[in-house]
Amino acid sequence: GDSVTQMEGPVTLSEEAFLTINCTYTATGYPSLFWYVQYPGEGLQLLLKATKADDKGSNKGFEATYRKETTSFHLEKGSVQVSDSAVYFCALFGNGFQKLVFGTGTRLLVSP
Amino acid sequence: NAGVMQNPRHLVRRRGQEARLRCSPMKGHSHVYWYRQLPEEGLKFMVYLQKENIIDESGMPKERFSAEFPKEGPSILRIQQVVRGDSAAYFCASSNAGTAQGNTIYFGEGSWLTVV
Repeated sequence: GDSVTQMEGPVTLSEEAFLTINCTYTATGYPSLFWYVQYPGEGLQLLLKATKADDKGSNKGFEATYRKETTSFHLEKGSVQVSDSAVYFCALFGNGFQKLVFGTGTRLLVSP
Repeated sequence: NAGVMQNPRHLVRRRGQEARLRCSPMKGHSHVYWYRQLPEEGLKFMVYLQKENIIDESGMPKERFSAEFPKEGPSILRIQQVVRGDSAAYFCASSNAGTAQGNTIYFGEGSWLTVV
C-alpha cells in the first residue's frame, strides 16, 4: 500500500540556518503530496502541496518540489525562525485511495 | 468562512465511560475523515465518511468505536467503555471531494481525550 517515510527528528537548528526535512513516498500512479505543520497543542495546518510531477509548493518561505524520479518531496527553508519550531508531517493522497497517508512527523527545534 | 470545528477540545473520562467527539466540517464539505494521534506519534487514519455513509473504516478498532455523519448535524466519533489506551488526540478533517486529484483536506484543532 501507499506509504510515506520521513527523516527522524528532532532536527535542531539555530535561527537563520537552512532547513531540509526529507520525505520519500511509495505509491502507485500519481499521488498528491502535502506538508502539514503542527504547533504544540494545536491541530494540523496545511503548509503546502503539489499535485503533479515537478510542481513546487511554497508558503511562508517553505518550499517542496514533487520529484517523481526520486519519489521525494523534501521540505526546505532558507532561513528558519524560532517560530518555525513545530512538528512537520509529510503526507500523500493517492489515486483511488480516499484518505491521507502520513509520515511519522519530524520535530523541528529552532534556537535563538 | 469557519474552518473545521471540533468539540470538545479537551475531554476527561473515567475508564468504562463513553466519549463522544463532534466534528462540523467546513462549509460546503461533505467528506469527513477521523484520525487518531497517540502521544509522540504520527496520525493514523480511522474512518472516512460522506453524508449518511461510511466509505472506509479500515482504521477503526473492531470494538467500542463507531462513527456517523448524519444528513443533518455534525459527524460523531463515539468510543464506548473507554480504556487508558484510548487517550489520544482525535482529529477530524474535511474536504469537498473524495478522490479528485488536487483535493485538499483541512483539519480541525483536535479533541484531546484523557482517560483516567
